[in-house]
Amino acid sequence: DVKVTQSSRYLVKRTGEKVFLECVQDMDHENMFWYRQDPGLGLRLIYFSYDVKMKEKGDIPEGYSVSREKKERFSLILESASTNQTSMYLCASEGLAGESLEQFFGPGTRLTVL
Amino acid sequence: RKEVEQDPGPFNVPEGATVAFNCTYSNSASQSFFWYRQDCRKEPKLLMSVYSSGNEDGRFTAQLNRASQYISLLIRDSKLSDSATYLCVVNPNTDKLIFGTGTRLQVFP
Repeated sequence: DVKVTQSSRYLVKRTGEKVFLECVQDMDHENMFWYRQDPGLGLRLIYFSYDVKMKEKGDIPEGYSVSREKKERFSLILESASTNQTSMYLCASEGLAGESLEQFFGPGTRLTVL
Repeated sequence: RKEVEQDPGPFNVPEGATVAFNCTYSNSASQSFFWYRQDCRKEPKLLMSVYSSGNEDGRFTAQLNRASQYISLLIRDSKLSDSATYLCVVNPNTDKLIFGTGTRLQVFP
């Protein structure tokens, strides 16, 4: 079974703090993604990566950066957390499932910024 | 217009009922379609891919209508354990997936 893990299930930070969210997958997938999920807005793509040291902006990259130093690890960074970044953050790793690509999600990190 | 639109529900149905959800997409070039299931406070998981010819997996049937640009999910003989949010997911022929906001299903005894 594919396993995607995220460093924290719940996180509380203060405005202005630097926040690191870590994601690790064990299936040697090349593609990894960071989303945030908010009520009524669904999942929105923040950043994604197709390979080590490669990153691409998603639909809402502002206020975030990412790091992919190793294939199995994809980190999301909030340089200076703000209250509007309070959200559920979901990491996904993408691989073949039958004939199509499937995204496997981690359990999520619920971040609260005070 | 949103790229992927779903009725948020909730759909409240008794056990044993048949329920159907639709989802519309805006990009006619979209090639891949999926239904994901998300339980409360859990991560989304792939339920099934949607093929042009339609596909069935036990009590679940997914269909694609390219002419009208919608996909559907039919659940027969609903179980309490089917209660969840069902996410419609479309690949608009790019590197990314577009997720709908989900349709909530609540099955009651």
